[in-house]
Amino acid sequence: DTEVTQTPKHLVMGMTNKKSLKCEQHMGHRAMYWYKQKAKKPPELMFVYSYEKLSINESVPSRFSPECPNSSLLNLHLHALQPEDSALYLCASSQGPPGSGPYEQYFGPGTRLTVT
Amino acid sequence: AQSVAQPEDQVNVAEGNPLTVKCTYSVSGNPYLFWYVQYPNRGLQFLLKYITGDNLVKGSYGFEAEFNKSQTSFHLKKPSALVSDSALYFCAVRDITSGTYKYIFGTGTRLKVLA
Repeated sequence: DTEVTQTPKHLVMGMTNKKSLKCEQHMGHRAMYWYKQKAKKPPELMFVYSYEKLSINESVPSRFSPECPNSSLLNLHLHALQPEDSALYLCASSQGPPGSGPYEQYFGPGTRLTVT
Repeated sequence: AQSVAQPEDQVNVAEGNPLTVKCTYSVSGNPYLFWYVQYPNRGLQFLLKYITGDNLVKGSYGFEAEFNKSQTSFHLKKPSALVSDSALYFCAVRDITSGTYKYIFGTGTRLKVLA
């Protein structure tokens, strides 16, 4: 199974709402990632978890809060977002953490987030 | 600084013809290079990677890429294009200088295969 799943597929939220994005992989991968992607642009790295610990935070605003409950799950908690945060949010996983080897990343289908 | 460039925003090719999507890189040391494809409203799918060794790398769906150290290029190729290959293609290099080892993505090339 080489699949990364993400829920929900689409999310519309107001600027005062709190919501969460979920990501799951069952490949035994030890690194998981959150990316933000605007239309027709490359993905931008937000967070990396290595062995369930936050290893990279790319200076992401605190209105985005990641969580890794176990080695298979990754959440992104959203609160007080701005309209410019509307984007496709991609989760990915890799066999090992960045820097531990030339591992490719497996991406989920993404959550299309619209902030109104 | 490490970087990759995809000089073409869009490439059009007729179905059945060979296709090339270009990527050049600028890195210090030996690069780890990757190609990914993204279909509309989907995540990225890994196609292939170069680590070391043979300069011609074969990947998924009939794609291959040629690593050329002297020209610092890693062009993606396919001998016979399919309409279903139409998608957004990203070249990426692993950043080994910042300590994060994160991907540095190119800006992407939209491939259109015309029937």
